[in-house]
Amino acid sequence: TQLLEQSPQFLSIQEGENLTVYCNSSSVFSSLQWYRQEPGEGPVLLVTVVTGGEVKKLKRLTFQFGDARKDSSLHITAAQPGDTGLYLCAGHGSSNTGKLIFGQGTTLQVKP
Amino acid sequence: DTGVSQDPRHKITKRGQNVTFRCDPISEHNRLYWYRQTLGQGPEFLTYFQNEAQLEKSRLLSDRFSAERPKGSFSTLEIQRTEQGDSAMYLCASSLGMEVSTDTQYFGPGTRLTVL
Repeated sequence: TQLLEQSPQFLSIQEGENLTVYCNSSSVFSSLQWYRQEPGEGPVLLVTVVTGGEVKKLKRLTFQFGDARKDSSLHITAAQPGDTGLYLCAGHGSSNTGKLIFGQGTTLQVKP
Repeated sequence: DTGVSQDPRHKITKRGQNVTFRCDPISEHNRLYWYRQTLGQGPEFLTYFQNEAQLEKSRLLSDRFSAERPKGSFSTLEIQRTEQGDSAMYLCASSLGMEVSTDTQYFGPGTRLTVL
């Protein structure tokens, strides 16, 4: 069974601080995706990483895919209250149907 | 912008009642997925359609659950004899059906089910 474990599960920081969220697995994934979800809404895709060692930047967000394609990280620089939300990593299951396996999520609260 | 839509957005029902949810995917998207999400957790896969064919079902999908996509467009998810443990957010997603590692899924806003 492919599992994705995220850490930390909860994070409460002050505006302007930096943070890193981790997504780890013992399985290899062909790609990993990061989503952000606000209360009462569906997840919104932030980025897809495909190549081992790949780094992608989206404004103040930096995403990295591990060399062995078993882990990924999301780093936010100078967090803002608008970054508050649930961050989810997800990978495609091994059945090749495209179904996504999600981590349990990291709830981020950025206080002004 | 016609994204994935779901109806209703909220449903409150009494234990034992049947409920049906609808999902309208992005037009021309071949794949449609249903997920369930409980509070503070990531979504869990329930079932998947390629056009009108239901190709995979999770073991989470008990015999009280049934999903259809009759014409390969919208889909319905029915839960019979609801139980309190069915209370969750039910999310629908659709995708073009490209090669798996690059096939982006777009999620709807979800239907929040509360079983009293």
